Amino acid sequence: DGGITQSPKYLFRKEGQNVTLSCEQNLNHDAMYWYRQDPGQGLRLIYYSQIVNDFQKGDIAEGYSVSREKKESFPLTVTSAQKNPTAFYLCASSADRGRIQPQHFGDGTRLSIL
Amino acid sequence: KNQVEQSPQSLIILEGKNCTLQCNYTVSPFSNLRWYKQDTGRGPVSLTIMTFSENTKSNGRYTATLDADTKQSSLHITASQLSDSASYICVWGSGGGADGLTFGKGTHLIIQP
Repeated sequence: DGGITQSPKYLFRKEGQNVTLSCEQNLNHDAMYWYRQDPGQGLRLIYYSQIVNDFQKGDIAEGYSVSREKKESFPLTVTSAQKNPTAFYLCASSADRGRIQPQHFGDGTRLSIL
Repeated sequence: KNQVEQSPQSLIILEGKNCTLQCNYTVSPFSNLRWYKQDTGRGPVSLTIMTFSENTKSNGRYTATLDADTKQSSLHITASQLSDSASYICVWGSGGGADGLTFGKGTHLIIQP
């Protein structure tokens, strides 16, 4: 079955450490997104990419970085500059933007601070 | 900043009963309105997407309505089942970059046997 795979499911970060969250999709979707979900808040957009080798900052990009070297992969790095990284991170993808399409989500990575 | 307000914040109903969840959006422009279901510890799953020309859309026991003039939407769940226990998220789309989505905080629904 086609879908989005996020790994790991749980991740722990030490102070001053960078960590990378993996997101892979086999839906052949052009667009991919990273969201952050905190308790009691709506999802907030970190970064998005509409095509390989191109990506745009979302509302809360500070302290995060991404790459899009392959269509199916969109990894997110949480850098040491992100002072409050504890959250549930969701990756999503959607098909061609010529018409309105739903975003398909992975099952998330929960990041905590050691 | 665009705001999407959902009510109630949480809701408990008995299995087999119907319920309606509300969503209000305060700022334009409007392109589409989405409802997602999110099980605990999982990613959201799309239930419906409506554009301004649609005022109702169904997906099985889920029916979404939209009034673009009053900027209100509702999600009606018929004959609830235990598996309906989840958070339901309303999402307003402006059609801009990254689809221009603004997510509500969700309504946490619990179905009791």
